[in-house]
Amino acid sequence: EIVLTQSPATLSLSPGERATLSCRASQSVSFYLAWYQQKLGQAPRLLIYDASKRATAIPARFSGSGSGTDFTLTVSSLEPEDFAVYYCQQRYHWPLTFGGGTRVQIK
Amino acid sequence: EVRLVESGGGLVQPGGSLRLSCTASGFTFVNFNMNWVRQAPGKGLEWVSFISSGITTTHYADSVKGRFRISRDNAKKALYLQMSSLRADDTAVYYCATEGFDDWGQGTLVTVSS
Repeated sequence: EIVLTQSPATLSLSPGERATLSCRASQSVSFYLAWYQQKLGQAPRLLIYDASKRATAIPARFSGSGSGTDFTLTVSSLEPEDFAVYYCQQRYHWPLTFGGGTRVQIK
Repeated sequence: EVRLVESGGGLVQPGGSLRLSCTASGFTFVNFNMNWVRQAPGKGLEWVSFISSGITTTHYADSVKGRFRISRDNAKKALYLQMSSLRADDTAVYYCATEGFDDWGQGTLVTVSS
């Protein structure tokens, strides 16, 4: 199975700052990588699919990049509602797998 | 508006069985592949199972293969997860999600404990 490693585990930032989250795959997933945001007590929300395509109604401050084994989710300027846990997921090979998550918390 | 509502969770003893349901509305269910994803308390997301729209293809996580079975009733717009030989590490919130994971239900909690 493809293992996704997210880093850092925790990111402490202030509102208005730029957040850069990393996801590394144990083997190539081409561009079949998605990013999700999850807040406490809520279901995950799809942010990015196919590495760089924003899902419906996702603000432009969220962007994704990468291909192969290295991917990045960038939040250009953190809003108060962006403090949450973020997961990457590969959709290239069964079984589908998720990364362990990055918590973005208020500094 | 897409709506997915899970039900059927609860407390079950180790070795027991449980069937989860997910009822769909707001989209043409028969045209969509569907997934189950779970999340153990305080832990990350784990994809569990997939079923194609025409019920011809299914996939499972290694951790549930041989114990769980995914199915669907397109006429009822319902997705199911039959879980058997349950273990403590199956304790989680179980979510159903559409094929692109664009839409998720609110989840149903399964607790496996004696």
